[in-house]
Amino acid sequence: SQTIHQWPATLVQPVGSPLSLECTVEGTSNPNLYWYRQAAGRGLQLLFYSVGIGQISSEVPQNLSASRPQDRQFILSSKKLLLSDSGFYLCAGDRSNTEAFFGQGTRLTVV
Amino acid sequence: GNSVTQMEGPVTLSEEAFLTINCTYTATGYPSLFWYVQYPGEGLQLLLKATKADDKGSNKGFEATYRKETTSFHLEKGSVQVSDSAVYFCARGSYGGSQGNLIFGKGTKLSVKP
Repeated sequence: SQTIHQWPATLVQPVGSPLSLECTVEGTSNPNLYWYRQAAGRGLQLLFYSVGIGQISSEVPQNLSASRPQDRQFILSSKKLLLSDSGFYLCAGDRSNTEAFFGQGTRLTVV
Repeated sequence: GNSVTQMEGPVTLSEEAFLTINCTYTATGYPSLFWYVQYPGEGLQLLLKATKADDKGSNKGFEATYRKETTSFHLEKGSVQVSDSAVYFCARGSYGGSQGNLIFGKGTKLSVKP
């Protein structure tokens, strides 16, 4: 079955530092991939999704970017973190007509 | 608008108590509805789903019925166990989106005490 590996589970970063969160997929090929974020007091919000290598769609304007250099690799980045970037980041995937599968998530605290 | 609203947590229950976690959604049509569960240290897992009005999703003793008249999808379980302690997320599908393109509620943390 398909799985998503996402790391680290928790991360504390200073304001202004760069960020790189990576998720990798196993057990399937050509998945759609998603990055979600849950800020304090809010629901999980879709940030980016990708239907293939090099194809990124952004759902909301923000301080973050995403890249998909390989079929099973999806990276969330920032050049300079803001306090408001703190939250719970979740990578997800799906294939056509299959249910979504999720990583464990990364709790990011920007200090 | 498109949103999902679920009851605020945390919810603390004793073992064998009855559980209800309320969830309502806004939509112009009839999206698929889901409950996801995240156990400590694990990723989100699909708990149950319903794809059309009046459908009942069920799994592991949990149930939820798609009520279009009240735009609700409340999660229920007759007798909770300590192992049910987790965070529960209500979600709806996005129009034209694939299964991973979801609109989530804030999540409700459930703690079950022995």
